[in-house]
Amino acid sequence: GENVEQHPSTLSVQEGDSAVIKCTYSDSASNYFPWYKQELGKRPQLIIDIRSNVGEKKDQRIAVTLNKTAKHFSLHITETQPEDSAVYFCAARGTASKLTFGTGTRLQVTL
Amino acid sequence: GAGVSQSPSNKVTEKGKDVELRCDPISGHTALYWYRQSLGQGLEFLIYFQGNSAPDKSGLPSDRFSAERTGGSVSTLTIQRTQQEDSAVYLCASSTTTMNTEAFFGQGTRLTVV
Repeated sequence: GENVEQHPSTLSVQEGDSAVIKCTYSDSASNYFPWYKQELGKRPQLIIDIRSNVGEKKDQRIAVTLNKTAKHFSLHITETQPEDSAVYFCAARGTASKLTFGTGTRLQVTL
Repeated sequence: GAGVSQSPSNKVTEKGKDVELRCDPISGHTALYWYRQSLGQGLEFLIYFQGNSAPDKSGLPSDRFSAERTGGSVSTLTIQRTQQEDSAVYLCASSTTTMNTEAFFGQGTRLTVV
């Protein structure tokens, strides 16, 4: 089945700096890669997703890149703000249509 | 309903008792997932239902765990003879049949086994 690895597990950046979180997946047939943000005590919520027919997608300060050949995808947050502090999960949907999540990255944006 | 609804929000049970957790997916969503999240940890896959297909039960940690989905809508996750290590937040998510679409999460059930 699909295996998703996520790095780093924790990330601390200063306000205004950029943050990058990386994920790799194992199923070459995977074609959907969402990113979820989970604030403390709340449910995970989708912030951006990318499909396998594109290499990059951007939404304001958030962007995701996908390298199908290398089977990895990354989340980029620019001009980080304190409200970006949360746990971020990547995921991949493979041939079995099951959504498999990475282990999460705890992002701390410091003033 | 407007979103995925889970009940109860919180459940405290004694070790050895059985519990049932309920998930009401978004109307029309044929895919339904259960995940478990221990404190400060990631999303552990438990089980996946897709339409009338046989569920993917590969994530269930032991035979004390089971789940069913009646009429392709509401799902219940049952944990028999609960143990303290079962304490966690149990999250349900649903999505449409189209593969490349967002999965929406419920607010979760916080289970505490004492």
